[in-house]
Amino acid sequence: EADIYQTPRYLVIGTGKKITLECSQTMGHDKMYWYQQDPGMELHLIHYSYGVNSTEKGDLSSESTVSRIRTEHFPLTLESARPSHTSQYLCATYPPSAGGSGAYGYTFGSGTRLTVV
Amino acid sequence: AQSVTQLGSHVSVSEGALVLLRCNYSSSVPPYLFWYVQYPNQGLQLLLKYTTGATLVKGINGFEAEFKKSETSFHLTKPSAHMSDAAEYFCAGDGAGSYQLTFGKGTKLSVIP
Repeated sequence: EADIYQTPRYLVIGTGKKITLECSQTMGHDKMYWYQQDPGMELHLIHYSYGVNSTEKGDLSSESTVSRIRTEHFPLTLESARPSHTSQYLCATYPPSAGGSGAYGYTFGSGTRLTVV
Repeated sequence: AQSVTQLGSHVSVSEGALVLLRCNYSSSVPPYLFWYVQYPNQGLQLLLKYTTGATLVKGINGFEAEFKKSETSFHLTKPSAHMSDAAEYFCAGDGAGSYQLTFGKGTKLSVIP
């Protein structure tokens, strides 16, 4: 069963609005990630965090920001939404490694489909 | 650096036919490899994974994949396609426990009745 939750599932918002996409997990995983995915396209890592108060930018430059104040919560914020931000945003976690292997793969949320008009 | 290549952005098969989705990786060390499935407007769901040990890996929904180091491949197969298999499939790798998966560009599977 899914233990990672993203809200809202769908969001249509006007240009210039500030938005926050929520991602919460109940598994206690330290590592969390945000991916951006255009329809039918590949995934691009935009942010990741390996623990509380630790955030890094990913491979794809993004105008969004993230915070990690609590282990279970990893919200993504756009200060001023633009039509170019229209995309699907996927949150994922990675469990603590056993003996350093880390070979468990991501658990993904259901995603937030954002449309900026 | 690790890279993952999926051959064929779109594969069509008839219902009941063999499904073969191709994935090749490049890595200087044996990687961890994964296949994910994504249904429309959903997140990604783990199908199966290769870490160490047996090179033939069985996953959910009747899928399996074989790790072939000599060919640097991790192709996904299913003996008989169902309509419900129509989805996007992503191959991913994690080289040397980096905790960041590298994804292929995805293959859209269509199943023709």
